[in-house]
Amino acid sequence: NAGVTQTPKFRVLKTGQSMTLLCAQDMNHEYMYWYRQDPGMGLRLIHYSVGEGTTAKGEVPDGYNVSRLKKQNFLLGLESAAPSQTSVYFCASSWADNNQPQHFGDGTRLSIL
Amino acid sequence: GIQVEQSPPDLILQEGANSTLRCNFSDSVNNLQWFHQNPWGQLINLFYIPSGTKQNGRLSATTVATERYSLLYISSSQTTDSGVYFCAVEPGQAGTALIFGKGTTLSVSS
Repeated sequence: NAGVTQTPKFRVLKTGQSMTLLCAQDMNHEYMYWYRQDPGMGLRLIHYSVGEGTTAKGEVPDGYNVSRLKKQNFLLGLESAAPSQTSVYFCASSWADNNQPQHFGDGTRLSIL
Repeated sequence: GIQVEQSPPDLILQEGANSTLRCNFSDSVNNLQWFHQNPWGQLINLFYIPSGTKQNGRLSATTVATERYSLLYISSSQTTDSGVYFCAVEPGQAGTALIFGKGTTLSVSS
């Protein structure tokens, strides 16, 4: 079982470049999330989605956009990358019901020069 | 918003020792998860434990929701237990995001 798959695993960008991170889950989960992890800190929520075609802002949404065109995919976009967006990005998914854990991908390490 | 505090921030053990990690949270929660982040950065889901006690091999966890804390026990620690342990809580209805603590960094030496 693949679970939650993130691509790419590593990426280096120059300031001002754009890119899209892809998250795919094969568990038919309704909810999907994008987090970022900075050194010495826990994960913080960027954006999330409670279903196909819906998105919402999290704690640190500035500089990012997301789309959920298909239930199994959740895309995170950086329109104009900045050095402050250097981080490790994690995607997660879960069922809509209460009392269900979130399942995480292996992360994408992104460096902005 | 809800605050999640983990203690201790750092822990150094000799192989074979036991340890207890603590997670305090400032408000009632629906869900609570413990994760181990290994040296490769992967987040391993250890326990989903909004209340009660669970055990998985050398690891066990207890959450006392009414007193707003959770404990992770590691017995007979091994070098492979090294890494960062995160507690994360879901404060609202289903679909709200997890709020993470800052983690406990565990180093186990042989």
